[in-house]
Amino acid sequence: GDSVTQMEGPVTLSEEAFLTINCTYTATGYPSLFWYVQYPGEGLQLLLKATKADDKGSNKGFEATYRKETTSFHLEKGSVQVSDSAVYFCALNEIQGAQKLVFGQGTRLTINP
Amino acid sequence: DGGITQSPKYLFRKEGQNVTLSCEQNLNHDAMYWYRQDPGQGLRLIYYSHIVNDFQKGDIAEGYSVSREKKESFPLTVTSAQKNPTAFYLCASSILGGGNTGELFFGEGSRLTVL
Repeated sequence: GDSVTQMEGPVTLSEEAFLTINCTYTATGYPSLFWYVQYPGEGLQLLLKATKADDKGSNKGFEATYRKETTSFHLEKGSVQVSDSAVYFCALNEIQGAQKLVFGQGTRLTINP
Repeated sequence: DGGITQSPKYLFRKEGQNVTLSCEQNLNHDAMYWYRQDPGQGLRLIYYSHIVNDFQKGDIAEGYSVSREKKESFPLTVTSAQKNPTAFYLCASSILGGGNTGELFFGEGSRLTVL
């Protein structure tokens, strides 16, 4: 079945550091790919998405590119802030199938001032 | 404002009791979902529904039940048969058909603690 594997955490960085969180996936078809963010005690918010190969999703300084050849969707940000501290989830959705999100295990990110 | 409302936000239950978590959406979405979140395990799908009066089991449906009598409502009952019910429960919804990119919209979650 479909699956998502993301970089294990926790990840701790200093403010203004460069961030990469790795995400790879296994899917039978051509899924849409997502990054969601969860702040403490809250639900999930969509951070960015890409629906086809070579698409780049971007939002709030975060970026991720849909790489079909390496089945990856790594999250990057050039200069992180304390407010970026949260748990980040990579996910995929095979729209042609049951149309349900499959999640990675999440990566907890802490940014120190 | 359009969105998904989950209630209660916090719930305590004694062992052996059933409890029902509410999920209401006013986004006019066809599909609704329940996920369970445990630390370090990501989110796992419990049940989902694409149409009123129909729903499907997800990956961890044992010990849970749902109903979909109205398009906007998808309550989840955690029964006494669920062996480890303490968790954070998230409800979500999505459109189906044309324009669907696979994105799910989430509520704020309900935290259930079994005493």
